Amino acid sequence: SQQGEEDPQALSIQEGENATMNCSYKTSINNLQWYRQNSGRGLVHLILIRSNEREKHSGRLRVTLDTSKKSSSLLITASRAADTASYFCATGEIQGAQKLVFGQGTRLTINP
Amino acid sequence: DAGITQSPRHKVTETGTPVTLRCHQTENHRYMYWYRQDPGHGLRLIHYSYGVKDTDKGEVSDGYSVSRSKTEDFLLTLESATSSQTSVYFCAISESDRGWDTQYFGPGTRLTVL
Repeated sequence: SQQGEEDPQALSIQEGENATMNCSYKTSINNLQWYRQNSGRGLVHLILIRSNEREKHSGRLRVTLDTSKKSSSLLITASRAADTASYFCATGEIQGAQKLVFGQGTRLTINP
Repeated sequence: DAGITQSPRHKVTETGTPVTLRCHQTENHRYMYWYRQDPGHGLRLIHYSYGVKDTDKGEVSDGYSVSRSKTEDFLLTLESATSSQTSVYFCAISESDRGWDTQYFGPGTRLTVL
């Protein structure tokens, strides 16, 4: 079963605007990660935030984690056409096997 | 891409035939994974390995088997392919000794079962 649930499923914005995607999960986690996938390609790791962290930045990316609400958000600032892609959250569960569980993704389209 | 290759990149086969997909890494990472990606389902874990000859099932393992006789190779076999196994298959590795850390993905194999 899917752990992470992304919202929205699809997002279309104008170039230069900010894009926010959300992820909710159900169980206790060691970390939460965000990945990007361009059409027809493999997933690329963007950022990892551990369960004891609340916010993390990487370039134009900002990730927040609220373990009390079991949710995370990914903010992409000053979007560019090259940001058009699908974005997936993935959770590293504490219990059970050491593996990631991926959500279904958010399809982001940046319009010029 | 952490030196991960997958072969073949594309394959068309017929229902009932066996198919083997190969994932190869150039470094000695312990954890390797096979996922399938389908519209509306995201990535789903098929099988994973935490060492040579050490494998375990994921959430969609029925109809699939795996083998890892060398650290660098992780093979996924569809014993008797069905149309429901038409999908894009991704291999991934974890660079750390913790399977839940960052994973790096191969380019994928697009499999069509007619």
